[in-house]
Amino acid sequence: DIQMTQSPSSLSASVGDRVTITCRASQSISSYLNWYQQKPGKAPKLLIYAASSLQSGVPSRFSGSGSGTDFTLTISSLQPEDFATYYCQQIYSKRLTFGPGTTVDI
Amino acid sequence: QVQLQESGPGLVKPSETLSLTCTVSGYSISSGYYWGWIRQPPGKGLEWIGSIYHSGSTYYNPSLKSRVTISVDTSKNQFSLKLSSVTAADTAVYYCAKYYYDSSGYYRIEYFQHWGQGTLVTVSS
Repeated sequence: DIQMTQSPSSLSASVGDRVTITCRASQSISSYLNWYQQKPGKAPKLLIYAASSLQSGVPSRFSGSGSGTDFTLTISSLQPEDFATYYCQQIYSKRLTFGPGTTVDI
Repeated sequence: QVQLQESGPGLVKPSETLSLTCTVSGYSISSGYYWGWIRQPPGKGLEWIGSIYHSGSTYYNPSLKSRVTISVDTSKNQFSLKLSSVTAADTAVYYCAKYYYDSSGYYRIEYFQHWGQGTLVTVSS
């Protein structure tokens, strides 16, 4: 199994801050990584696919980078609607796995 | 606009079988793509349960494989989940989702594109 870890597990930030979340895979997964945002009581929403491609309709303040085992999700200027939990997901293996999540709050 | 809606009992007794159905609108399942189930225990992270292709081929999470069956009914534009011998550990919000994939380029592109709103299933006597 490919294990996914995320750091930090939670962070406190303010509107306008630059926020970086890290995701690490237990083995190389090339660029086969997606990022989702989930707000309380809602289904996850795709932000980034293939490590760095922005999903249509997602604000450009979100960006993704990395390949191999280490990946980052960056929010360049945090907005009020960005307070949420963020999950990475690997699709390298057919056994799909998600990271444990990073909660961004005030 | 693709929409997915989960339906089924919100309470299941231990040792019984959890059964959920996902009804898809705005897209014909028989047109392609995979269709999946994901669950999220209260206050915890996401766990992929399994996926099914419109033809009926399936992929399951090995940790659940012995208890999971996912099937598709293209005539009703629905797909279903059965999870047997449930325990309290199976209490979760269950989501159905459309799984987009594109293997035409150098890299595969795959992701859960559209999600249902989720349904809470509690396992309790």
